[in-house]
Amino acid sequence: DAKTTQPTSMDCAEGRAANLPCNHSTISGNEYVYWYRQIHSQGPQYIIHGLKNNETNEMASLIITEDRKSSTLILPHATLRDTAVYYCIVRVKGGYNKLIFGAGTRLAVHP
Amino acid sequence: SQTIHQWPATLVQPVGSPLSLECTVEGTSNPNLYWYRQAAGRGLQLLFYSVGIGQISSEVPQNLSASRPQDRQFILSSKKLLLSDSGFYLCAWTADRGRGNIQYFGAGTRLSVL
Repeated sequence: DAKTTQPTSMDCAEGRAANLPCNHSTISGNEYVYWYRQIHSQGPQYIIHGLKNNETNEMASLIITEDRKSSTLILPHATLRDTAVYYCIVRVKGGYNKLIFGAGTRLAVHP
Repeated sequence: SQTIHQWPATLVQPVGSPLSLECTVEGTSNPNLYWYRQAAGRGLQLLFYSVGIGQISSEVPQNLSASRPQDRQFILSSKKLLLSDSGFYLCAWTADRGRGNIQYFGAGTRLSVL
């Protein structure tokens, strides 16, 4: 199973873009990259996922490098409510779609 | 729309007492269901998953068990709780079986075993 590496913590000023990196150098060709976040004392929230093309939705953008060995989650205009732990996850092969959560990146958005 | 319910939100139980946490999903049929546990300050650990009624797979050996008596109901149980069973328990379900298979999580149950 591909593993991911993320910085332990990051800071971002409110209103600025937050760029959260993730390394997944052992990712397989048919494995997707998922991003979830967990606000304190809540269940994880799905943000976005992608295979090889860049993706954008109402929450964020996902930029995946051409070799797929790394990706960046972009929150274009961070707010205080975006303060959370962000998890980059590579989907394990298998019919039951197990997600393996690492330690994630603790993003602190400050005024 | 689909929703997932977990209860109770918080629970304080003495060591050696039984446990039953319930999770139900509405608005979908035949979902894959999951139980995760999160120890304080740690990441999520998958405990059990189920692809159908009566079908349970365990990821780690432990003091807990799971059951799926109905299509959209997933129950986490223990006969005798240990101190190490304390944690944040999360139920999740898979929205679809197409591309992506996004997992959606409930609000969680915070269990304290004293």
